[in-house]
Amino acid sequence: QQQVKQSPQSLIVQKGGISIINCAYENTAFDYFPWYQQFPGKGPALLIAIRPDVSEKKEGRFTISFNKSAKQFSLHIMDSQPGDSATYFCAASTGYQKVTFGTGTKLQVIP
Amino acid sequence: NAGVMQNPRHLVRRRGQEARLRCSPMKGHSHVYWYRQLPEEGLKFMVYLQKENIIDESGMPKERFSAEFPKEGPSILRIQQVVRGDSAAYFCASSPPSQGGEKLFFGSGTQLSVL
Repeated sequence: QQQVKQSPQSLIVQKGGISIINCAYENTAFDYFPWYQQFPGKGPALLIAIRPDVSEKKEGRFTISFNKSAKQFSLHIMDSQPGDSATYFCAASTGYQKVTFGTGTKLQVIP
Repeated sequence: NAGVMQNPRHLVRRRGQEARLRCSPMKGHSHVYWYRQLPEEGLKFMVYLQKENIIDESGMPKERFSAEFPKEGPSILRIQQVVRGDSAAYFCASSPPSQGGEKLFFGSGTQLSVL
């Protein structure tokens, strides 16, 4: 029940296109849903996060869409750029508890 | 304000040796988390510690692995009698007291290679 399922495993998008990564969870106690970005050789870094009381959150080119009834959330990267090429992890947590991560999506943005 | 510092960055051990991985959290952070990352896999939770306390060790293998976060000094992840399957990147993250697990700041990791 602690799992967070993420898809796709890898994604290739043309520069200027929209990148979409999907996640699903089972534990209805989760109340915080962050996305992390990881570049090779580096640790993950928090990108954007959402709570289940809103259906969408946008920060620049990055948008999280959240569907509480379906227990799904997704990351949309608008106008994708080569610099966005990285591995993206969705995650979920409950208060002062461990953060459970998805398996990651390796995004490659080609010129 | 320095970020989360992990050392060493790379650690090579032979089977049966001990590995000690260190993590200094960001200043003011009292929560430390350890994660393991295998190639092409996600981040697997290992242990969550606060100063002098293990809060959640549900992700730690029952044998050979231990972790501590003493009152003074860095957090230590210790792996005794390493085996080839222990080869992975180990990441430490810290968070401030007010945010618990909501905002994790990760170090650059320690890449453990077991020969």
